[in-house]
Amino acid sequence: EVQLVESGGGLVQPGGSLRLSCAASGFTFSSYWMHWVRQAPGKGLVWVSRINSDGSSTSYADSVKGRFTISRDNAKNTLYLQMNSLRAEDTAVYYCARDDLGGWFDPWGQGTLVTVSS
Amino acid sequence: SYELTQPPSVSVSPGQTASITCSGDKLGDKYACWYQQKPGQSPVLVIYQDSKRPSGIPERFSGSNSGNTATLTISGTQAMDEADYYCQAWDSGYVVFGGGTKLTVL
Repeated sequence: EVQLVESGGGLVQPGGSLRLSCAASGFTFSSYWMHWVRQAPGKGLVWVSRINSDGSSTSYADSVKGRFTISRDNAKNTLYLQMNSLRAEDTAVYYCARDDLGGWFDPWGQGTLVTVSS
Repeated sequence: SYELTQPPSVSVSPGQTASITCSGDKLGDKYACWYQQKPGQSPVLVIYQDSKRPSGIPERFSGSNSGNTATLTISGTQAMDEADYYCQAWDSGYVVFGGGTKLTVL
């Protein structure tokens, strides 16, 4: 079964840092681009970042550029999102998703909640 | 930056056809896909490459994309289809989501 499981969310103060992880199983992780998407409480989906299959290319939404870093460890089948200089507006459920070789996302993980508050 | 616009809400009676639109500049020149999200759950892909259905998605879900508008159509809508629906496309190497449409079946 193809599965993505996020972890690492929690409560952090403004200006703090957090690293999210996404453990992949059931497919050849190293063959797929991966993405992070977030959803603030009661709001819509917002794309955050993507990384190509070998980790050599990344891109970010303007709202997180320079603060967030996406990376992956293909030996561990794990995707990461390092989040620094966190702001209240970064509060959201963060989902990892597999780019199914055509630009669509399937599947998605269950999400991990990040709350930025003092 | 590129934007995708969806109506905030659509209502449909059970058994009828629901249509949810997604508008963007020359969207028909790109591939559009659609996700369903029920309360408290992760999004699920229901349409990709404009009109293809992943395995396990009922035939009542269909899609089209032309000009500036992509459309998700649900034929014979069931109560279980009540959810938020999001369109998605790529523009200049970046992923864009529509704002989402809440489908109410009443």
